[in-house]
Amino acid sequence: DVKVTQSSRYLVKRTGEKVFLECVQDMDHENMFWYRQDPGLGLRLIYFSYDVKMKEKGDIPEGYSVSREKKERFSLILESASTNQTSMYLCASSLAQLNSPLHFGNGTRLTVT
Amino acid sequence: DQQVKQNSPSLSVQEGRISILNCDYTNSMFDYFLWYKKYPAEGPTFLISISSIKDKNEDGRFTVFLNKSAKHLSLHIVPSQPGDSAVYFCAASYVRGSQGNLIFGKGTKLSVKP
Repeated sequence: DVKVTQSSRYLVKRTGEKVFLECVQDMDHENMFWYRQDPGLGLRLIYFSYDVKMKEKGDIPEGYSVSREKKERFSLILESASTNQTSMYLCASSLAQLNSPLHFGNGTRLTVT
Repeated sequence: DQQVKQNSPSLSVQEGRISILNCDYTNSMFDYFLWYKKYPAEGPTFLISISSIKDKNEDGRFTVFLNKSAKHLSLHIVPSQPGDSAVYFCAASYVRGSQGNLIFGKGTKLSVKP
């Protein structure tokens, strides 16, 4: 069974801090994704990666960057956290095959004060 | 502009009855559709999908119907069970570069009452 593990369930950070959200998957999936979920807005794609060291912007990349140094790990970085980045962050992975279902982690609830 | 719309934020159904969750989309380039279910404090889990070349796909109690001309899909759950209470997200796939990518609706919260 696919497991996508997000290192923290809850995080509280201060405005201006640099924040790292870590995600690891154990099924050798090529694709990895970062979404954020906000009430009334659904899931919105921040960044995704189809291979090691490869990244592409999603629909809302502003204020974020990512790192994929190893196939199993995909990190989301908030360079300077702001209060509007308070959200639920969801990592997902999938096979490279087109339309393969996403497998999500349990999310990280980030609060920026 | 919202390309995938779930116009009902919530739905309440009696146990044993049918639940019908609706989803509309605007982009005719979408060629694959998926439903995800999300319980509180968990990530979404894949439920069922349908290709645009089909109009129906069934998996146990779950059936997804696609009406391409109306740009509408629906998820039917029969019979509904209390464990089905969750938020359901509709998602549509489009090709971005050489890969597919998903656009999600805002979700519908289903409550199945015993």
